Amino acid sequence: EAQVTQNPRYLITVTGKKLTVTCSQNMNHEYMSWYRQDPGLGLRQIYYSMNVEVTDKGDVPEGYKVSRKEKRNFPLILESPSPNQTSLYFCASSFRGTYGYTFGSGTRLTVV
Amino acid sequence: AQKITQTQPGMFVQEKEAVTLDCTYDTSDPSYGLFWYKQPSSGEMIFLIYQGSYDQQNATEGRYSLNFQKARKSANLVISASQLGDSAMYFCALERGSQGNLIFGKGTKLSVKP
Repeated sequence: EAQVTQNPRYLITVTGKKLTVTCSQNMNHEYMSWYRQDPGLGLRQIYYSMNVEVTDKGDVPEGYKVSRKEKRNFPLILESPSPNQTSLYFCASSFRGTYGYTFGSGTRLTVV
Repeated sequence: AQKITQTQPGMFVQEKEAVTLDCTYDTSDPSYGLFWYKQPSSGEMIFLIYQGSYDQQNATEGRYSLNFQKARKSANLVISASQLGDSAMYFCALERGSQGNLIFGKGTKLSVKP
């Protein structure tokens, strides 16, 4: 089944403890991106990648890192999480925009 | 700067009636794409429809159609014959510049009444 897989689905962590949210797609898509969704703000892009080793900042990159060492994987790294990074996170991928972007199921992160 | 605006935080529609969800955008890129996504209460993001800036015709997908008015920079979603299952958040998104780079509106919550 063609899909974008995010793990974990839910995560509660403490301030300052490094964490990684994984994202993997099995559709050989070139384009991958990360978003956070907060009430009243819609989805805001954190980082995006156009291919292996090619990444760029979105609108809210502060406090996040990404890497794209393989085409299928695009992990989101929070080196020192803070409570304001509590949010619902989505990973998405696309072969070409005209076909739409496929989203993962989301990761609900709580930083206490 | 690119921008996308959904001015209707919430809307109600009677079952079986048509409804239009508004979306306006601002971009200086000559080539861009516009998307609509549905997010039911379960949380997943479901792709509905796409319109390219050079497409000559308005996009349609089943009961969904996109009313694309390029000069007005609007890309409204029309849902015909609303169903109870259409109750959800709807997001408009603009693919700006390079592919992979999406900006979303804040969404419209649609409630379908029986």
